[in-house]
Amino acid sequence: EDKVVQSPLSLVVHEGDTVTLNCSYEVTNFRSLLWYKQEKKAPTFLFMLTSSGIEKKSGRLSSILDKKELFSILNITATQTGDSAIYLCAVEPPTSYGKLTFGQGTILTVHP
Amino acid sequence: NAGVTQTPKFQVLKTGQSMTLQCAQDMNHNSMYWYRQDPGMGLRLIYYSASEGTTDKGEVPNGYNVSRLNKREFSLRLESAAPSQTSVYFCASSEIRAEKLFFGSGTQLSVL
Repeated sequence: EDKVVQSPLSLVVHEGDTVTLNCSYEVTNFRSLLWYKQEKKAPTFLFMLTSSGIEKKSGRLSSILDKKELFSILNITATQTGDSAIYLCAVEPPTSYGKLTFGQGTILTVHP
Repeated sequence: NAGVTQTPKFQVLKTGQSMTLQCAQDMNHNSMYWYRQDPGMGLRLIYYSASEGTTDKGEVPNGYNVSRLNKREFSLRLESAAPSQTSVYFCASSEIRAEKLFFGSGTQLSVL
């Protein structure tokens, strides 16, 4: 059974701090690893990673995948209160698009 | 362009009652999904429909049924609600080869 584990489960920081969120997986084969941000309602897409060692960036957020060590990290620099959310990691199987296996999520709280 | 629309947003049921959660997407996507989200467990796939006319079980299908009414609509039915089905339910859709899912805003269901 595919398994995705995120750590930490929750994190409290102050504005301006840098955070690193972790996602490890026990999946025999997958097409992609995805990161989502969930504020009050629906998860929204952040990144899709398919190749090991290639960093994806979007503003203050970046993510990288290590297929050898079976993990991914999501970095957020210069955090803002608007970054407060649940961050979800998920893996997508090679032949079933959208049938994601999610981790438990990391609850990030950014205080002013 | 509404994206993925779920109804209702909130629902309270008594044990044994039945109800149907409705989902419609206007993005002409082929694939649709129902996920549930429980605290500390991330999102788990209940059922999915890879294309109109097909449905298949996900990770936690027991106690649920689905209907892919047409390409736009995918409903989830609880025949006899149980307290263990108290959760937030998300519908999602994607193109067959999409990089990401589009989620609805969720239905918060409480079964007393």
